[in-house]
Amino acid sequence: QKEVEQNSGPLSVPEGAIASLNCTYSDRGSQSFFWYRQYSGKSPELIMSIYSNGDKEDGRFTAQLNKASQYVSLLIRDSQPSDSATYLCAVARASKIIFGSGTRLSIRP
Amino acid sequence: GAGVSQSPSNKVTEKGKDVELRCDPISGHTALYWYRQSLGQGLEFLIYFQGNSAPDKSGLPSDRFSAERTGGSVSTLTIQRTQQEDSAVYLCASSLGPQGTDTQYFGPGTRLTVL
Repeated sequence: QKEVEQNSGPLSVPEGAIASLNCTYSDRGSQSFFWYRQYSGKSPELIMSIYSNGDKEDGRFTAQLNKASQYVSLLIRDSQPSDSATYLCAVARASKIIFGSGTRLSIRP
Repeated sequence: GAGVSQSPSNKVTEKGKDVELRCDPISGHTALYWYRQSLGQGLEFLIYFQGNSAPDKSGLPSDRFSAERTGGSVSTLTIQRTQQEDSAVYLCASSLGPQGTDTQYFGPGTRLTVL
């Protein structure tokens, strides 16, 4: 079992709809959770970080964390073509951070 | 202010040659990380430096890989006797504090091609 698992996709979502990206992790002691966006040929950039159970909203993005289920998700509302990218989930505990292999999201017009 | 910079942006080398990749972290960031990303894959952790502590080398794939960080700032990743499977994008990131608590800021990467 991978320490951080994501569906590789591609996930195809119509423009204007909600895109839902999911991530599960194996270490129950994980403390910090991150979502990075990576455009093709570019470096990852941080979108959201979340540290406690529940939802955290930032503009069109909402991160959801459920530590009991070891599950973290990212919702993108009103999806735009510019949201087409690979989304990397990262999970950290103390001095160790593990990245998932990413989910490729494609927003179709 | 300036972000994380890496050089060279592209490196083509012949199998068996040594290569050095450089990373300049954001000024004041105490933590520095190296990752490797093969085409269409996720980030593979290589090595982590935090302040003056001994680096976490647990991700280095073989003894052909080494890294150092001089003066708590610039870091160099060295790959000796390169192999074709070393071809990938090598990403450097830095953060203000220890890994896991602070955002990592990534450099543009070095694309290494081993012929």
